[in-house]
Amino acid sequence: EAQVTQNPRYLITVTGKKLTVTCSQNMNHEYMSWYRQDPGLGLRQIYYSMNVEVTDKGDVPEGYKVSRKEKRNFPLILESPSPNQTSLYFCASTQTGNTEAFFGQGTRLTVV
Amino acid sequence: DQQVKQNSPSLSVQEGRISILNCDYTNSMFDYFLWYKKYPAEGPTFLISISSIKDKNEDGRFTVFLNKSAKHLSLHIVPSQPGDSAVYFCAAAGGTSYGKLTFGQGTILTVHP
Repeated sequence: EAQVTQNPRYLITVTGKKLTVTCSQNMNHEYMSWYRQDPGLGLRQIYYSMNVEVTDKGDVPEGYKVSRKEKRNFPLILESPSPNQTSLYFCASTQTGNTEAFFGQGTRLTVV
Repeated sequence: DQQVKQNSPSLSVQEGRISILNCDYTNSMFDYFLWYKKYPAEGPTFLISISSIKDKNEDGRFTVFLNKSAKHLSLHIVPSQPGDSAVYFCAAAGGTSYGKLTFGQGTILTVHP
């Protein structure tokens, strides 16, 4: 089954404690991205990757890092989480030449 | 600066009637538009899309209309069913930002039996 898998689904952490949200896709897509969803703002792109070792900032990259060492994996790293990063996060992958993105189930992060 | 706007936070419709969800955009570089549907505790799932070279695309009960001069698109669901109750996001793509989707704020659709 074609899918994008995120882990964990839910996470509560404290300010400043580094965390990583993993994302994996099994569709051999080149393009992967991270979005955050906040009330009244829809989904906003944090970072994206056009292929292995190629990453770039989206609209709201501050406080986040990513890496793309393998085609299937695109982890999101919060080196020092702050309460304003409390949000619902989605990983997505897109096949080259297409526009339709496939989304993971989401990770609800709370930073206290 | 919200480049894609869904000005109706919510919409309530009776089962069997038509649901019309609206979306406006400001960036003339957008040339492809998508609608996503999202249930609670799930990720958004693709519903229907339209290229800027068309003004209508139909898929079963779902039809998307595009008015480029007004920078406006709408999603029609006919007939509406209770299972259509979800959050609907309008998204746009285009220009030099390949792969990136710019989303609206979402509209919560509730279809009453």
